[in-house]
Order: sequence, then structure tokens, then C-alpha cells
Amino acid sequence: GENVEQHPSTLSVQEGDSAVIKCTYSDSASNYFPWYKQELGKRPQLIIDIRSNVGEKKDQRIAVTLNKTAKHFSLHITETQPEDSAVYFCAAFNFNKFYFGSGTKLNVKP
Amino acid sequence: EAGVVQSPRYKIIEKKQPVAFWCNPISGHNTLYWYRQNLGQGPELLIRYENEEAVDDSQLPKDRFSAERLKGVDSTLKIQPAELGDSAVYLCASSLSGDRDNYGYTFGSGTRLTVV
Repeated sequence: GENVEQHPSTLSVQEGDSAVIKCTYSDSASNYFPWYKQELGKRPQLIIDIRSNVGEKKDQRIAVTLNKTAKHFSLHITETQPEDSAVYFCAAFNFNKFYFGSGTKLNVKP
Repeated sequence: EAGVVQSPRYKIIEKKQPVAFWCNPISGHNTLYWYRQNLGQGPELLIRYENEEAVDDSQLPKDRFSAERLKGVDSTLKIQPAELGDSAVYLCASSLSGDRDNYGYTFGSGTRLTVV
């Protein structure tokens, strides 16, 4: 089956700096890659996603890049704000299954 | 639209007691998932339904866990008897999906189970 690895497990940045979280996957059949933000005690919320026929997608301060050859995808947050502090999960979708990374705890220091 | 609705939000039970969780998916979503999320980890799939059929329950501990999705809409997940290690957040999610694609995948708020 698919194996999704996520790094780093924790990330601390200064407000206004950029944050990058990286994930790798193992199965080339995976074709959809969402990113979720989960605040303490709340449900995971989809923040951005990318499909395998696209290399990059941007939504305001958030962007995701996908390298199908290398089987990795990354989340980029620019101009970070304290409200960006949360746990972020990547996932790979493969034949009706989602495989989640282990999460990155992002702390944005004011 | 109400989104994926789960109840209860919190549950505290003593070990060896039974417990049940309920999920109402988004209207029209054919696929329903139950996940378990341990503290500091990503969600792990327990069972996936396509309409009323459980098509993937390979990760469900069948000695104590059971689930059903009667009429292909609402679903319940049951644990009997509960163990201390079952303490976690149980998330339900639903989507409109086929073999190769997925739309509208949404999580519910989850049920936080504490077994004491």
C-alpha cells in the first residue's frame, strides 16, 4: 500500500516568514494530494489540494507543489501569521483510500 | 449545508464498557469513512463504506469494533468492550467518490473518547 512521510514534525517560524512542509509518497498511482489544517480540538480542514495532472497550485498565501517523478509534494505558506499555528497533515489519495502523513506542528511566533 | 455531523462530541467511559458513535454524512455522499486519530498523529482509517457496503475494513479490530451503515446514509461505530488504548478521537468523513477520484471530502468534528 501507499506510505506517506511528512517532515518536519515540528516547525517554528517568526511571524512574516515563510514555512515549508514536505511530504513524500510511495505509490505512483496516487492521484490527489490534499493538505489539512487541524487546530487543537477541531476537525481537519482542507486548505488546499492538488491533482496529479498539475504541478503547482496557489491560493493567496498558500501554495502546493507536486513533483510526480520524485513522488513528493510540499506546502508553502508565505507571510505567516499567528493564526496559521496549527497541525498540518498531508495526504495521498489512491484508489478510494486516503493515506495521511504524521503531521507537522507549526508554531508562528509573533 | 450542515456538513458531516457526529455525536457525541465527547464521551468518557470506564474500561470494559460499550460505547457507540454516530455519523450523518453530507447528503448525497456515497462514501463514508471512519478514522481513529491518536494524539499527535494523523488519522488512520478503520473502515470505509461505499453506500451500505463495507468495502475496506482491514484496519478495524473486529474482536471489539463493529460498524454499520444501514440504508447507506447514517453510520454507527461501536466498541465493546472498550480498552484504555481506545482513547482517541474518532473522525467520520464522507465524499462523493469513484474508483479513481474523490470530490467534496469532508471531515466531521469527531468524537473524543476517553476510557478510564
